[in-house]
Amino acid sequence: NAGVTQTPKFQVLKTGQSMTLQCAQDMNHNSMYWYRQDPGMGLRLIYYSASEGTTDKGEVPNGYNVSRLNKREFSLRLESAAPSQTSVYFCASNLAGLANYNEQFFGPGTRLTVL
Amino acid sequence: AQSVTQLDSQVPVFEEAPVELRCNYSSSVSVYLFWYVQYPNQGLQLLLKYLSGSTLVKGINGFEAEFNKSQTSFHLRKPSVHISDTAEYFCAVSDRDYGQNFVFGPGTRLSVLP
Repeated sequence: NAGVTQTPKFQVLKTGQSMTLQCAQDMNHNSMYWYRQDPGMGLRLIYYSASEGTTDKGEVPNGYNVSRLNKREFSLRLESAAPSQTSVYFCASNLAGLANYNEQFFGPGTRLTVL
Repeated sequence: AQSVTQLDSQVPVFEEAPVELRCNYSSSVSVYLFWYVQYPNQGLQLLLKYLSGSTLVKGINGFEAEFNKSQTSFHLRKPSVHISDTAEYFCAVSDRDYGQNFVFGPGTRLSVLP
């Protein structure tokens, strides 16, 4: 049981380049999330997918797009990277659906630098 | 909408001393409460959670937290810390009633000194 996996672990981009961050979970969870973590700001939700086939914006969605490819996979795309998107990105999942008592399980993170 | 405040951004403490990490929240509805720990260069792991029932919740690694509804607090405590407890700790709240409203606090960096 790998839990939540993310690729790549590290990435350096130039301003304007695009890339996709991949996330997969093998726990048969319904909901998946993308967060960014910046110093002193905790985790901020970018997008989430409450169930397969649905996606919704979180607190900071601008500059990002997501795809819930199937129940296991949830990808995050930066179409035109900006230095302000330099951050550590975490994917998470939980069983919840719309019941929030289930804790989230996190991947190891992707450290992204945009020059 | 909920919000979470962690009053201390950094807490240094000597090994074997007790520690309390403070968390306050605001919400117009009933909530579930969580504490997560993040070790360097890793993702977040659940320490403990409060769903209902006893207001004192015990978690992994000897941590416990107490829910105080009147003070809207969920402080994390450990009676005797170890060097290995050095990490960042996040308090989080989610809305009982609806939606994907997990909100995380800004985090408290606990440094355990020898």
